[in-house]
Parts: sequence; C-alpha cells; structure tokens
Amino acid sequence: DQQVKQNSPSLSVQEGRISILNCDYTNSMFDYFLWYKKYPAEGPTFLISISSIKDKNEDGRFTVFLNKSAKHLSLHIVPSQPGDSAVYFCAASAVFQGAQKLVFGQGTRLTINP
Amino acid sequence: ETGVTQSPTHLIKTRGQQVTLRCSSQSGHNTVSWYQQALGQGPQFIFQYYREEENGRGNFPPRFSGLQFPNYSSELNVNALELDDSALYLCASSRQGLGEAFFGQGTRLTVV
Repeated sequence: DQQVKQNSPSLSVQEGRISILNCDYTNSMFDYFLWYKKYPAEGPTFLISISSIKDKNEDGRFTVFLNKSAKHLSLHIVPSQPGDSAVYFCAASAVFQGAQKLVFGQGTRLTINP
Repeated sequence: ETGVTQSPTHLIKTRGQQVTLRCSSQSGHNTVSWYQQALGQGPQFIFQYYREEENGRGNFPPRFSGLQFPNYSSELNVNALELDDSALYLCASSRQGLGEAFFGQGTRLTVV
C-alpha cells in the first residue's frame, strides 16, 4: 500500500528553466509534507516543507505547492542549476501509533542539462 | 551545531550474524528515527525513539530492535541477518512534535 507516490522516476530539465516535481498521497491524516534531496552516498538533505493548513511555501529558488483536495503536492525549482541534479523524495508526516512518522515516495531523479 | 552522524559508513556481514549501527543526533534534538532504504526505493520507517523508549514502529520484525541513550544517541540492532536486510540504514533526528527530520549519511549494510 503505497501511501505516497512519485510517478515520475526521472526528469530532465535544461539549465535555467523550471523543474517541477510531483507527488501524490492517499492518507488524509498526513498533516505536514517535506521535500528532501539526496546525492549518492549521502543521506537525504531537507529542502523545504509545508503544513497542511497552507497551500504554498517559498524559500529562495524552491517553492512547494499543496492541493489538499487533490491530495497532491509539487516542488518547483526556478531557475534550475546543474547542482540541483539529484534524487528528490517527497515525504508526508503524521502521528501513527504515537510516533511522528515520515512516509516517503519512491523518488524522482532530476537531471539538469547545461 | 553538530549534525546527525552515523557509524560505520559501510559494513559487510554474513547471513545469520548480528549487527549494531550507531547514530548521534543533532544537538537540541530529542527524537531519533531509523529508516531502511532499499535500492531504488524511498526510505521505510523502522521505529522511533523518544525519551529512551520506542514510541512507534513500522512493518519490521522483532529482530530489528533499538536503544536510545540519555544523550539522545541511538543504536539499531538487527539479529539473524537475512540477505534482504542489505540496504542503506538511515538515522534521522528531530524535535518531538515538529515536522522536519534531519538525516545522517547512512550506513550501507551488505549481507552475504
């Protein structure tokens, strides 16, 4: 039962253009959503988050949008830079059985082409 | 402010053996969670520790166990290793009740 899905395993974008990464979830109990970036041989690095009471959060080149009715969130990176090439994971957070648990999608590999 | 650190970074074990992985949480964080990431997948929640007690568990068998110490550092123990236990094991620390969790670099476990 995949509660968080990233349906695009990979995405290729030209440098300077906008990168849009998508994520869908099924459980209405999730109250907080996060995006992580992961390079090979490193742990996930926190990028940006959004509470379920908001529909947008912006931090520099990164903006996360949340559409609760569609159970969909997206991460926009603009402008895209070569250093953004990595695997991006979306994660949804809720308290399950007393623990604040993150449920991750499968990841999207983003490649920024010069 | 120190980040989350894990040791060792790589480990090779034989099927049936036992392994202990270690994690030091980020300063100011009192909650530690452990995740397993198989190749090509997102991290899967194993369990969480808060105030030295397990307070939530994912779909992992009892041979996966853990500890949290008074300084909030933590250990993950896996008994009777199986080939399918080969994965990247990630530790994440957070402040209880807040959403952001910060991850260590992981321990790559290979079971042969």
